[in-house]
Amino acid sequence: ETGVTQTPRHLVMGMTNKKSLKCEQHLGHNAMYWYKQSAKKPLELMFVYSLEERVENNSVPSRFSPECPNSSHLFLHLHTLQPEDSALYLCASSQVEGPNEQYFGPGTRLTVT
Amino acid sequence: AQKITQTQPGMFVQEKEAVTLDCTYDTSDPSYGLFWYKQPSSGEMIFLIYQGSYDQQNATEGRYSLNFQKARKSANLVISASQLGDSAMYFCAMREPSSSGSARQLTFGSGTQLTVLP
Repeated sequence: ETGVTQTPRHLVMGMTNKKSLKCEQHLGHNAMYWYKQSAKKPLELMFVYSLEERVENNSVPSRFSPECPNSSHLFLHLHTLQPEDSALYLCASSQVEGPNEQYFGPGTRLTVT
Repeated sequence: AQKITQTQPGMFVQEKEAVTLDCTYDTSDPSYGLFWYKQPSSGEMIFLIYQGSYDQQNATEGRYSLNFQKARKSANLVISASQLGDSAMYFCAMREPSSSGSARQLTFGSGTQLTVLP
């Protein structure tokens, strides 16, 4: 049983589409994260929400728009994406206090055509 | 400059043997944390082990141990008695205080692909 779930697991979208990725954590954590993992590149941190406030936005293009309505849910809204945005998008959660180990969801494999 | 360096893109190990995956890091902050994650082909990142910069002893979790050498800034992962299911990508990561102060980010290395041979 995984504490962090992500839907959908796979998504194919055109450059003019609008879609959303969903993440839900069942671990009682108070911080959530979006990462992008492209082939042959290290994980790139996109956004961090701590206590439901966005605290980090690592120069991510505006075609990616995060939303954190509560401490258990995190969304990534996508619009007018580019083919280079094709990647694995991973959501994670953690407790801000303490070691801060992050627990990841299974990811959404996104393909932009 | 890279903060986390994993110099082994790929490693092979015979089943039941031990293997060491290398990780070096760079930070000027005295308070930091080091993590290892496993990523099977399914994509999910699985947390394996954690070492705090002030921890006196090397961390161990079952067959995983972390060889922490602070002066050398290295945090190698040792997997004992390798199993076929250990074949995966392994990432070293470091936690530092973030600029905002309210959440702490992880910086990941480029990973090592481990293949366990029968």
